[in-house]
Amino acid sequence: DGGITQSPKYLFRKEGQNVTLSCEQNLNHDAMYWYRQDPGQGLRLIYYSQIVNDFQKGDIAEGYSVSREKKESFPLTVTSAQKNPTAFYLCASTRGLVADTQYFGPGTRLTVL
Amino acid sequence: SQQGEEDPQALSIQEGENATMNCSYKTSINNLQWYRQNSGRGLVHLILIRSNEREKHSGRLRVTLDTSKKSSSLLITASRAADTASYFCATDAGPGSARQLTFGSGTQLTVLP
Repeated sequence: DGGITQSPKYLFRKEGQNVTLSCEQNLNHDAMYWYRQDPGQGLRLIYYSQIVNDFQKGDIAEGYSVSREKKESFPLTVTSAQKNPTAFYLCASTRGLVADTQYFGPGTRLTVL
Repeated sequence: SQQGEEDPQALSIQEGENATMNCSYKTSINNLQWYRQNSGRGLVHLILIRSNEREKHSGRLRVTLDTSKKSSSLLITASRAADTASYFCATDAGPGSARQLTFGSGTQLTVLP
């Protein structure tokens, strides 16, 4: 089955710890994205990558880092510098050259204890 | 700032009724998309309408786009309890934009059986 997987589904972190969220796609899509969603809110773009070994900051990149070493993978690290990391994190990918349909993973819910 | 904003924020209807959600945006766009999100899940693409299109249909969904008013509407006909979800509009940033979408804060639709 083609699609996007995210792991883990639920993640608990103590304050001061870095955590890495996984995102993998087998759709052969070029572009990948990370979004943050807070309760009752829309999605806010954290980082995106249009090609391997290249990525760009989104609207709320502070306290986050990413890498894109492989086309299929786009992990997100939530660092201790992120002041309010508790949220639902969504990964997405798209094939086209413009802002076309995005395919989303099931999400990771991060809770800071 | 968010490009698309949905109205109303919440909508509750009886099964069989039609549901209409609206989206307004601020700048020129290449396309506008509608997504659906069930509680705690990833987003699912519903329909994409390009800036040179005025209306598009997909099953029980009808989307209109008025670029002069910078607005779009999503109509779900003959609603079912399974349509209960949050619905988001998403817009790109117009000609020459990178592959980014900006999401509104969504309309929470509840269809009562």
